Amino acid sequence: NAGVTQTPKFQVLKTGQSMTLQCAQDMNHNSMYWYRQDPGMGLRLIYYSASEGTTDKGEVPNGYNVSRLNKREFSLRLESAAPSQTSVYFCASRTTGPDYGYTFGSGTRLTVV
Amino acid sequence: EDQVTQSPEALRLQEGESSSLNCSYTVSGLRGLFWYRQDPGKGPEFLFTLYSAGEEKEKERLKATLTKKESFLHITAPKPEDSATYLCAVQPITGNQFYFGTGTSLTVIP
Repeated sequence: NAGVTQTPKFQVLKTGQSMTLQCAQDMNHNSMYWYRQDPGMGLRLIYYSASEGTTDKGEVPNGYNVSRLNKREFSLRLESAAPSQTSVYFCASRTTGPDYGYTFGSGTRLTVV
Repeated sequence: EDQVTQSPEALRLQEGESSSLNCSYTVSGLRGLFWYRQDPGKGPEFLFTLYSAGEEKEKERLKATLTKKESFLHITAPKPEDSATYLCAVQPITGNQFYFGTGTSLTVIP
């Protein structure tokens, strides 16, 4: 009954380093999403995957890439981290049925120095 | 431009003191409006979806209502465990994008 699992929970990177944030869901949801949350900005969509094999840009995609590895897994990659990417990152999945709210993971707190 | 504004930014209530949180939205056709609860250091937790003006949903001490321009989250006789940040989001009819407000931080004092 894990829901949405994100790893790692915390990460510190130096400017220019790369890393991949992992996300997996066990609810058989088709759609998966990556959001970032910054103080005073609300949650903003980075990328999403409406179904296995498809990905699309959201509101703030610059500096990020994604991979929908299979129906369960959706990863977010920072190729060359910048201080502006310091944020809390949330992965979410969503059913298409009634009351189709997101199920969010617990987040990754990323600091780029 | 699609937009969501929540007020107040922060609210302190005595235990048992009922109040309401506001979510005003501007969207080119509403598919759904969503309320979430977020505890510190955790991801948002889904509470309600509302689809059309006049709709109401309840869960324990919470009741969400929807008009054509705004939604209210009414908290009746709150308890300290209701302390959290409450987020509102809207999904327009077109596209997959959800737009989130910045939230209302609620503190309930025993």
